[in-house]
Amino acid sequence: GAVVSQHPSRVICKSGTSVKIECRSLDFQATTMFWYRQFPKQSLMLMATSNEGSKATYEQGVEKDKFLINHASLTLSTLTVTSAHPEDSSFYICSASVGSSADTQYFGPGTRLTVL
Amino acid sequence: AQSVTQLGSHVSVSEGALVLLRCNYSSSVPPYLFWYVQYPNQGLQLLLKYTTGATLVKGINGFEAEFKKSETSFHLTKPSAHMSDAAEYFCAVSAGTASKLTFGTGTRLQVTL
Repeated sequence: GAVVSQHPSRVICKSGTSVKIECRSLDFQATTMFWYRQFPKQSLMLMATSNEGSKATYEQGVEKDKFLINHASLTLSTLTVTSAHPEDSSFYICSASVGSSADTQYFGPGTRLTVL
Repeated sequence: AQSVTQLGSHVSVSEGALVLLRCNYSSSVPPYLFWYVQYPNQGLQLLLKYTTGATLVKGINGFEAEFKKSETSFHLTKPSAHMSDAAEYFCAVSAGTASKLTFGTGTRLQVTL
């Protein structure tokens, strides 16, 4: 149980285009979903927290107009990287939580974004 | 605020040897503590967690960790390393029942023959 999927697993796009990444909780309803960014050989940095039906809460320094997060249902959240540039190339990981505490978080397999 | 310090960005052990990955935390409230493992180009898999109760927690793949409040530590150990243990390991902390996780910088474990 508690499986989280991400799609796509890898994406390559041209600079200036927008890319959408999906995060789904397959066998549970997630009250909260989280989006992380991981640079090569570095740790995970929380980008934003989203609750179903409400606006996402972004961490300091994360551009909300660039990284659009939609949490339309209890099983789906999307991250759209708008007008992507090479510096946006990274590994994006989502997690979904069945409850309100961190010990109920389950992580997706990640999406590798490469912007040419 | 919470923070995590992982000592040693890279640890190398021989197959069959003891694995010890160090993690120290800082938290203004009783913490929940976690160890995750990440294989190349994959997401995070939970190894074990401490929330309340017994301070020695056992996880998957033979790993265990002990919460030591006096030392603000949560070191990860495994008595005998296996080649399949080679991966990146992350320690993380949350402020008790809060949802936000703060990760350490990670330790890459290398296992040699």
